[in-house]
Amino acid sequence: EVQLVESGGGLVKPGGSLRLSCAASGFTFSNAWMNWVRQAPGKGLEWVGRIKSKTDGGTTDYAAPVKGRFTISRDDSKNTLYLQMNSLKTEDTAVYYCTTGLNFGDDAFDIWGQGTMVTVSS
Amino acid sequence: SYELTQPPSVSVSPGQTARITCSGDALPKQYAYWYQQKPGQAPVLVIYKDSERPSGIPERFSGSSSGTTVTLTISGVQAEDEADYYCQSADSSGTYKVFGGGTKLTVL
Repeated sequence: EVQLVESGGGLVKPGGSLRLSCAASGFTFSNAWMNWVRQAPGKGLEWVGRIKSKTDGGTTDYAAPVKGRFTISRDDSKNTLYLQMNSLKTEDTAVYYCTTGLNFGDDAFDIWGQGTMVTVSS
Repeated sequence: SYELTQPPSVSVSPGQTARITCSGDALPKQYAYWYQQKPGQAPVLVIYKDSERPSGIPERFSGSSSGTTVTLTISGVQAEDEADYYCQSADSSGTYKVFGGGTKLTVL
């Protein structure tokens, strides 16, 4: 079964750091371009960033609100995607989803995790 | 920064046709994708590459594109279609992905 499972969410103070993980199974993770998408409470979806497969360069791109503070990485030996979040702000409070385009192209996000909640509050 | 614009809400009666639009300057160059999200659940892809429907998505869901606007059409709306719908695309470079603000579909 194709599956993405996020973990690592929780409560953190403004200015703090947190690392999220996304464990993949049921598909060839090393070939996948992986994304993080977040959703603030009661708000819409927001793309956070993406990491390409190593065969495609392994490069990362980030949305403007998180660039310079968030880092996406991957460990293909562990089939795991990471999101390192530093200098957290209250506006980073959201459910964070990992997602990928497995069957219909890299930009057609057809596989999603269940999400992990991050709360930034003093 | 690049934005996609959707109406905040659309209401239809069961059996009617719902149309949800999404506008953006780069849509003539970049594909659009549509997601359905129900409360407490992760989004589900319902349309990819403007008008293609993934297997398992009912035929009543269709997509179209015209210039800077793409449209998700749900024909013969059912109560179970009540959800938030988001369009997604990319800026003109294709690098930075963006979601529309979302449209709440209410089935009266």
